[in-house]
Amino acid sequence: KAGVTQTPRYLIKTRGQQVTLSCSPISGHRSVSWYQQTPGQGLQFLFEYFSETQRNKGNFPGRFSGRQFSNSRSEMNVSTLELGDSALYLCASSLRQGSGYTFGSGTRLTVV
Amino acid sequence: DQQVKQNSPSLSVQEGRISILNCDYTNSMFDYFLWYKKYPAEGPTFLISISSIKDKNEDGRFTVFLNKSAKHLSLHIVPSQPGDSAVYFCAASAFNNDMRFGAGTRLTVKP
Repeated sequence: KAGVTQTPRYLIKTRGQQVTLSCSPISGHRSVSWYQQTPGQGLQFLFEYFSETQRNKGNFPGRFSGRQFSNSRSEMNVSTLELGDSALYLCASSLRQGSGYTFGSGTRLTVV
Repeated sequence: DQQVKQNSPSLSVQEGRISILNCDYTNSMFDYFLWYKKYPAEGPTFLISISSIKDKNEDGRFTVFLNKSAKHLSLHIVPSQPGDSAVYFCAASAFNNDMRFGAGTRLTVKP
């Protein structure tokens, strides 16, 4: 079965722009979580969606937002990009909250 | 708030020896713990898990130990192989809640 698909794989944006990242979970998985990975910080939790509802949110500013569609696909949006937003953004899906996650390969965002 | 901590950013071991990666957590509500392995340019992949009702889980060369009273878990890899060189993330979750990850430990296994 297909894994978790994240698009695009790489992205370069300039400060002040906004960006939308996409994640298609494994078929049948209803929980989608987003993480930001930066060197030395590990995986920082952004938010989790389950059946189109945001269930949990990490400690990120309001510039970071997301949504989940009825087919469980999820998007993450970052507005007014800052240099510090440069990171690998990972999406993970699971059958239910808290169970083992399957990760996508991530989107490498570079803000210049 | 760093609820899951991996205090060793890196670990180097000789091929064939044991690798021990450690993880501490602060949230007593966590009841499910996992280890993920990550290679460069790839997403993390699930390695092994343990629920809070157990204190040990074994899968081939990988064993995870859980000490609930100390809020500590560890991953043992025996014997270590060069292909095990990667970043290892410890993760924890409470029932129906999101999963929290540690900062990762980079394991290098030298031939």
